Amino acid sequence: GENVEQHPSTLSVQEGDSAVIKCTYSDSASNYFPWYKQELGKRPQLIIDIRSNVGEKKDQRIAVTLNKTAKHFSLHITETQPEDSAVYFCAAQMEGSARQLTFGSGTQLTVLP
Amino acid sequence: SAVISQKPSRDICQRGTSLTIQCQVDSQVTMMFWYRQQPGQSLTLIATANQGSEATYESGFVIDKFPISRPNLTFSTLTVSNMSPEDSSIYLCSARKGNMNTEAFFGQGTRLTVV
Repeated sequence: GENVEQHPSTLSVQEGDSAVIKCTYSDSASNYFPWYKQELGKRPQLIIDIRSNVGEKKDQRIAVTLNKTAKHFSLHITETQPEDSAVYFCAAQMEGSARQLTFGSGTQLTVLP
Repeated sequence: SAVISQKPSRDICQRGTSLTIQCQVDSQVTMMFWYRQQPGQSLTLIATANQGSEATYESGFVIDKFPISRPNLTFSTLTVSNMSPEDSSIYLCSARKGNMNTEAFFGQGTRLTVV
């Protein structure tokens, strides 16, 4: 099955700086890569996703890049704000996997004011 | 989009008892899933809830311990049976619409403590 590794496990940045979280996946058949944000005590919520036919996607301060050859994808948050502090999970879905997602281990992002 | 209501939001249970968690979606969804999340950890898929048939369980999870129902396209239940302290965790319901590569929505979770 699919295996997703996520780094770093914790990340602290100063407000206004950029944050980058990286994930690698094992199965080249994976074709969908969402990122979820989970605030303390809250449910995970999708913040951005990318499909395997696209190399980069951007939504305001958030961007995701995908390198299919190297089997890794990254989340980029620019101009970070204290409200960006949360746990971020990457995930991957294998083609034909009955729409199951395999999640990374999570990154605790702390934005220091 | 889909709004998922999950209940109870939390419970404290005695070991050896069972708890049933309910998941209600505000619209018909194609797929429903149940996850377990230990505090500070990632999401681990327990099973896919199949409408009108037996759930599909992931390695390490069995039907006798985690029976699941899905009587229609908007509702599912997960029962945690014969609980032990090791079952203390957050249980999350999830749903997806459409055929491929669509957003997964989550319930707010059930925080279970077994004493």
